[in-house]
Amino acid sequence: EVQLVESGGGLVKPGESLRLSCAASGFTFSSYSMNWVRQAPGKGPEWVSSISSNSYYIYYADSVKGRFTISRDNAKNSLYLQMNSLRAEDTAMYYCARVTPPPSVVAASDYWGQGTLVTVSS
Amino acid sequence: EIVLTQSPATLSLSPGDRATLTCRASQSVGNYLAWYQQKPGQAPRLLIYDASNRATDIPARFTGSGSGTDFTLTISSLEPADFAVYYCQQRSNWQGIFGQGTRLEIK
Repeated sequence: EVQLVESGGGLVKPGESLRLSCAASGFTFSSYSMNWVRQAPGKGPEWVSSISSNSYYIYYADSVKGRFTISRDNAKNSLYLQMNSLRAEDTAMYYCARVTPPPSVVAASDYWGQGTLVTVSS
Repeated sequence: EIVLTQSPATLSLSPGDRATLTCRASQSVGNYLAWYQQKPGQAPRLLIYDASNRATDIPARFTGSGSGTDFTLTISSLEPADFAVYYCQQRSNWQGIFGQGTRLEIK
């Protein structure tokens, strides 16, 4: 069974940093590109970033470019999102999701975690 | 940046009805379009990818069609579990833009 479990969310002040993690299991993690997608309260989903299976290709939404960094450790079956210079508008549930079909990088997400909540407020 | 416009914003139908949801792109996205269903408190669920391919375990009553700028998600006969919010997403230009959603509600 495919499982994605996010962690690392919390309450931070504007300008602070946070690092999200996603633990993957039930599939060959090193064969799939991965997405981070966020959803602000009461809003639709917003794609944040994608990373290819070997980390060679990385893409970001314009809203986070230069502030967020996506990475992965295939040996640990883990995906990460380093978020710096956080703003109030970054407040959202952050989901880790598997990309389909392989070997696409920016593509649909067929499995999602339950999300981790990030709140940016003074 | 490509913009996806979904219509209608809200669709009121009854169980057993046929539902037609549309997603229009501001420029061609080829067949790089996906559809998701989302219920309150849950992550989105992938229904259709690359315009017309049903995802794993998705019932045959969900059909995706279209290419270029105009796409349709059809639910042939609505079941109570189908009432939810539906989003389209494109993956062209290395950006995974979502539409604003269509709420499918019980009439």
